[in-house]
Order: sequence, then C-alpha cells, then structure tokens
Amino acid sequence: DQQVKQNSPSLSVQEGRISILNCDYTNSMFDYFLWYKKYPAEGPTFLISISSIKDKNEDGRFTVFLNKSAKHLSLHIVPSQPGDSAVYFCAASAYNNNDMRFGAGTRLTVKP
Amino acid sequence: DTGVSQNPRHKITKRGQNVTFRCDPISEHNRLYWYRQTLGQGPEFLTYFQNEAQLEKSRLLSDRFSAERPKGSFSTLEIQRTEQGDSAMYLCASSLARGQGANVLTFGAGSRLTVL
Repeated sequence: DQQVKQNSPSLSVQEGRISILNCDYTNSMFDYFLWYKKYPAEGPTFLISISSIKDKNEDGRFTVFLNKSAKHLSLHIVPSQPGDSAVYFCAASAYNNNDMRFGAGTRLTVKP
Repeated sequence: DTGVSQNPRHKITKRGQNVTFRCDPISEHNRLYWYRQTLGQGPEFLTYFQNEAQLEKSRLLSDRFSAERPKGSFSTLEIQRTEQGDSAMYLCASSLARGQGANVLTFGAGSRLTVL
C-alpha cells in the first residue's frame, strides 16, 4: 500500500530558478515528515524535516511546507544549483512507530 | 565516525544460495534499521532493532530472511535460498533512540544483491 506518493518521477529546472517537489500521503496518523536526497552509489541523506505542529520549516535554500488538511507536503529549493541534481525522497512516520514510509522519489535535474 | 558502513557493496549469487550482509551503524546510535529498495521505488521497511532486540518486522520479511544484532552493535541480514525477486538494494540505517534524532535515519550506501 502506497501511503506516501511522489507523483512526479522527474523534474528539470534551470539553475537559479525554484525547484518544487511534491509529496502526498494517505495515513492521517503520520506526524513527522522528512526529505532525503540521494546521489548515485550513495545512501539517502537527510535534508530537512517538519513535524505536524508546523506548516513550514526553512533551512537555507530549502523550505518544506506541510498542508495537513490536504495531506500534502512540498520541498522548495531556491535558488536551484547544479549540485542539487539528485533523487529526492519524501518520507513520513507516525509517533512511536518506527516504520518510516518513503515515496518512490523524484529525480531532480538542475541545468546550468 | 565514518557513518553507517555496509558490506559487501555488491553481491552476485545464483538462485538458491544463501547470502549475508553486514551493517556497522554509527556507534552511539541504539536503533538500527534494514530497508530494501528496488528500481524506481523508495526504500521499504524490513525490520528494526533497538540495541540487540528486534522490535519490529515487516510482512515483507519472509521466513527466508533473518536479521540479527547480537551485541547491539553491528547487524547481519541473511537471505536463505535466494530467489530472483530478492534482487534489490539492501539499505541499513541507524538513529538515536530518543529525542529529535530518533526521527532522522542515517543510511549506509547499501548492499546491492543480484540473484541470477
């Protein structure tokens, strides 16, 4: 069962522009959400997270927005840089539940 | 600390053989997780340990799969009588048990299994 969905398998943006990656979830028990970034031949690395008590969390060029009523979150990268080119996974977990669920990933390509 | 270490990085085996993967987590992390990732999919949870206790197993973890963490440090994942459908990347991750760090998993680079 696909409880976390990333409907865009790929996204291409120009350097300097904004990248917006989207994620939808179905389980209303999820209360913590994360974005991971993955380069080829490496494991996913943590990028940014947000708990359900917030609707926005910002870290430098990266901002995650959470819309609980729509069960939707998004990751904004601005300005995008070629080094941001990677696969981005959305993940979610419920309090006290260690079964973190991941989306299928979105491959971001930032063109110089 | 060198992060989460996994080996071998790649294993090619014939159907029916047994394989074992090893994971060395970050030393101060009490939690250790195993995930499986197939092409075009995100990581899927298999099992997790808190110290040496295996606290949760996914229904994806069939009888042919066994994971151990005997001393609460490194862990092994064994797959017996491998099948072609077992071909995947096996990812290990670790985290703290409490606080904000408990929600953030640090992944290793993975062990890729190819079953011929």
